[in-house]
Amino acid sequence: DSGVTQTPKHLITATGQRVTLRCSPRSGDLSVYWYQQSLDQGLQFLIQYYNGEERAKGNILERFSAQQFPDLHSELNLSSLELGDSALYFCASSALGGGAGEQFFGPGTRLTVL
Amino acid sequence: ELKVEQNPLFLSMQEGKNYTIYCNYSTTSDRLYWYRQDPGKSLESLFVLLSNGAVKQEGRLMASLDTKARLSTLHITAAVHDLSATYFCAVFYGNKLVFGAGTILRVKS
Repeated sequence: DSGVTQTPKHLITATGQRVTLRCSPRSGDLSVYWYQQSLDQGLQFLIQYYNGEERAKGNILERFSAQQFPDLHSELNLSSLELGDSALYFCASSALGGGAGEQFFGPGTRLTVL
Repeated sequence: ELKVEQNPLFLSMQEGKNYTIYCNYSTTSDRLYWYRQDPGKSLESLFVLLSNGAVKQEGRLMASLDTKARLSTLHITAAVHDLSATYFCAVFYGNKLVFGAGTILRVKS
């Protein structure tokens, strides 16, 4: 158990809908990262927040957005969902802000878009 | 743009044998990570390699980093069935981790 929690574990929804994925980092970690894992794209970095501020951005679609709240939990919002958004979404956390520290991954949220 | 290539992508091993997974990357970086993922599960951190020549060992796994050659290796010694999983290397570059495609390891008895 990495100490990172994610909810929900599974999410099934329809195209065009909007969902919110939630992540709580390990106690004391200030950085939160979001990743998408799919069969065709592999593991891709989406976005990083450090202590409430966006720190780095990867291959995140404009339909996706994220934020980190004062209590350090983070939410990833996915809107206008398409079939291709079906994937495993991981959250990771680390103590450092630069992204270079060891990242600990949560259990993931499996999103299925029908 | 950084490219991270792992090979092989699939490895079927006999128990008790040794083998090496290779991770090549295209741009200078001195931080490399190895992760393990079991089917349907999360990623488990195995090794953090932070400098040229770094070598770390845990049980039957040993990882090394050669930043000049832009190469990391994950060596498996006397494989056992419990090592069956997918192994990812990830390179730190541009404030983010860039992952390889993963190596699916199957250890057969």
